[in-house]
Amino acid sequence: GAGVSQSPSNKVTEKGKDVELRCDPISGHTALYWYRQRLGQGLEFLIYFQGNSAPDKSGLPSDRFSAERTGESVSTLTIQRTQQEDSAVYLCASSAAGGLRGEQFFGPGTRLTVL
Amino acid sequence: RKEVEQDPGPFNVPEGATVAFNCTYSNSASQSFFWYRQDCRKEPKLLMSVYSSGNEDGRFTAQLNRASQYISLLIRDSKLSDSATYLCVVTKSGGSYIPTFGRGTSLIVHP
Repeated sequence: GAGVSQSPSNKVTEKGKDVELRCDPISGHTALYWYRQRLGQGLEFLIYFQGNSAPDKSGLPSDRFSAERTGESVSTLTIQRTQQEDSAVYLCASSAAGGLRGEQFFGPGTRLTVL
Repeated sequence: RKEVEQDPGPFNVPEGATVAFNCTYSNSASQSFFWYRQDCRKEPKLLMSVYSSGNEDGRFTAQLNRASQYISLLIRDSKLSDSATYLCVVTKSGGSYIPTFGRGTSLIVHP
């Protein structure tokens, strides 16, 4: 079946603009994660959705960042008033089980460049 | 101390060599351990889970040392295609099981 898809693949925006990034997880996967990866750096956890539970937002770096997920399907990550330090690859991953033993399947990422 | 630490490398080895990476973690409540592989400008992909008794998958062997709080990855008979960044991932129990990724160890296998 199809893997995790993300759109757009690349996004160039001007400082101060809002952007919305989309993630389509693997069908049936209850867990969904958003990460940020700056050039040459490791993955930085942003937010985690598990089924109908309240999301774990502990990784969001500021209140400019927010994310939503409709049921167990599509998720959108919104960054308001973008700053140059927001430039990074934003990766989405889904997992059938989440929790301790769920393998994460990653999408190809959205490369965000803030000018 | 960072939650998950890895030597960034790069480890530069010839084809056929055996190479090993370690990853240390700081939280003794950590429960699950994984190695992911990330090719340049690509997304991470699961290489293998790490079980308490150690496990092997072909040329790859993963081990866990809870007492010293580290996991290891051994690659035997290195191939050119093994060149990638290897990410250590640790998940601790309690709360919502957020996995913590190390920054990765870069491996370059040359002819």
